Amino acid sequence: GAVVSQHPSWVICKSGTSVKIECRSLDFQATTMFWYRQFPKQSLMLMATSNEGSKATYEQGVEKDKFLINHASLTLSTLTVTSAHPEDSSFYICSARLAGGQDTQYFGPGTRLTVL
Amino acid sequence: AQSVTQPDIHITVSEGASLELRCNYSYGATPYLFWYVQSPGQGLQLLLKYFSGDTLVQGIKGFEAEFKRSQSSFNLRKPSVHWSDAAEYFCAVGASDSWGKLQFGAGTQVVVTP
Repeated sequence: GAVVSQHPSWVICKSGTSVKIECRSLDFQATTMFWYRQFPKQSLMLMATSNEGSKATYEQGVEKDKFLINHASLTLSTLTVTSAHPEDSSFYICSARLAGGQDTQYFGPGTRLTVL
Repeated sequence: AQSVTQPDIHITVSEGASLELRCNYSYGATPYLFWYVQSPGQGLQLLLKYFSGDTLVQGIKGFEAEFKRSQSSFNLRKPSVHWSDAAEYFCAVGASDSWGKLQFGAGTQVVVTP
């Protein structure tokens, strides 16, 4: 149980285009989802917290207009990288927190974004 | 604000030998503590967690961790490693008042030699 999927698993796009990444909790409902960014051989950096039905809360230094987050249902959150540039190339990972207060996050497999 | 330190960036261990990964945290109250493992091409998998109670926590794959408040540590151990344990290990700390936000350590890369 507690499986989180991400789609796509990898994407290559041209500079200036927008890319949408989906995060789904497959067998549980998640009132809260998190988006992380991981640079090569580095740790995960929290980008934003997404609560179902409300606006996302962004961490300091993360541009909310560049990284659009939508959490329209209890099983789906999307991250859209708008007007992507090469410096946005990274590994993006989502996690979902079980509804009901259990403070455990379950992570998706990640999405590798390469911007040319 | 909470923070997590994993002092060892890289550890090499022989198959069958014991393994200990260090994790130190900084947090004002009792934190929620986690160990995750990340294998190439796979997502983070939760090994174990500590919220309260018994300070020795048993996890999956034969791992255990001990919470030591006096040392602000939550070290991960395994008595006998297997080649499949080669991976990146992350310690994380969360706060009960922050909707489950996690602060991750830098990670420790474990290499297992025959």
